Amino acid sequence: DADVTQTPRNRITKTGKRIMLECSQTKGHDRMYWYRQDPGLGLRLIYYSFDVKDINKGEISDGYSVSRQAQAKFSLSLESAIPNQTALYFCATSEIARGENTGELFFGEGSRLTVL
Amino acid sequence: AQSVAQPEDQVNVAEGNPLTVKCTYSVSGNPYLFWYVQYPNRGLQFLLKYITGDNLVKGSYGFEAEFNKSQTSFHLKKPSALVSDSALYFCAVRDGGAGSYQLTFGKGTKLSVIP
Repeated sequence: DADVTQTPRNRITKTGKRIMLECSQTKGHDRMYWYRQDPGLGLRLIYYSFDVKDINKGEISDGYSVSRQAQAKFSLSLESAIPNQTALYFCATSEIARGENTGELFFGEGSRLTVL
Repeated sequence: AQSVAQPEDQVNVAEGNPLTVKCTYSVSGNPYLFWYVQYPNRGLQFLLKYITGDNLVKGSYGFEAEFNKSQTSFHLKKPSALVSDSALYFCAVRDGGAGSYQLTFGKGTKLSVIP
């Protein structure tokens, strides 16, 4: 089984619908992230969480919200989906080694979202 | 602000030849540098990182990268390319200063290894 699991892997929806992407991890990491990948743009950070009580906006948080239900679970919501949110979404985790986050990320397999 | 540039959208190389995927960065503090690889329909996988120490870093699958502070570069290299190396490669940087957390990714370079 994958250490970082995302569901659903593929989703097609219509403009205005509410969508939730879920992420669960078995790595025991405290830090979790949601990224968006668009062709030619690389990965951009949407939200991140350093623990259950800590949620932070990334560079492109508008139109998105997140929930950290437990250390192992971090979900991303699109309250009212729009076509330019069509993208590949990745959840990632990281650990702190010797008191420092060196930055190595562990990614899920991705959730491909299409908004019509 | 921190940034990463991968100047080549695509790199083509013949199997068995050496390969280089270029990356330059900008960061105000000490750079923490990373390479990730993405195979089709998969998530990103960590290849290697430079935090401190030896400028030549060795990673997974025979890849290595050289940190060059004066040229602010961190190019990914492999002495002999395999067809299975064909994938999308991302360079990323983080400012190693206190309180910094965020990785900034480049736009990616598609590597095609031709049999």
